[in-house]
Amino acid sequence: LAKTTQPISMDSYEGQEVNITCSHNNIATNDYITWYQQFPSQGPRFIIQGYKTKVTNEVASLFIPADRKSSTLSLPRVSLSDTAVYYCLVGATTSGTYKYIFGTGTRLKVLA
Amino acid sequence: GAVVSQHPSWVICKSGTSVKIECRSLDFQATTMFWYRQFPKQSLMLMATSNEGSKATYEQGVEKDKFLINHASLTLSTLTVTSAHPEDSSFYICSAKLPGSNQPQHFGDGTRLSIL
Repeated sequence: LAKTTQPISMDSYEGQEVNITCSHNNIATNDYITWYQQFPSQGPRFIIQGYKTKVTNEVASLFIPADRKSSTLSLPRVSLSDTAVYYCLVGATTSGTYKYIFGTGTRLKVLA
Repeated sequence: GAVVSQHPSWVICKSGTSVKIECRSLDFQATTMFWYRQFPKQSLMLMATSNEGSKATYEQGVEKDKFLINHASLTLSTLTVTSAHPEDSSFYICSAKLPGSNQPQHFGDGTRLSIL
């Protein structure tokens, strides 16, 4: 069974850089890696997406090694409002079946 | 752009009732929509993939007669929980995807279903 795993939780202080890693051993060859942010009782919000190497937008960077079996979301200078759960989402193939699989989620708490 | 609206946001009903949840892509056409279920403090679990004009594809363990999905237009998919029971209480979230294999999914704000 394909599993997409993340650290359960992380604490950080305001202004620090936070790196969250996702392990996705069964990622499908042509599939992209997408990261989302979720606040309580809301749907996930798109943060960033990438296929390989490094992608950067106005809110985050995404680092993907050559084997694509993991990815790291980097949030520069976090603030209190970044306290949320962060998920990676990949398409993976297991037993010949393709499906989208969310990571286990990382609960980030930003402290003042 | 890429806004997905989900309705209702919260519903409470008696056991045995059927509940319909709507998912709309407001500013784009979505040939594919997805339905997820999320229990407290857990990740999202894909229930089914909804394709416009064809039958939905259900994940293993999801009863298609229990969770009826209709994707009658390029901007609307509905999920009906038939004869709901307390164990169906959960947070249901839909997403829609722009055409193209590398387009991300965009999510609605979810529907919290509570069955008494």
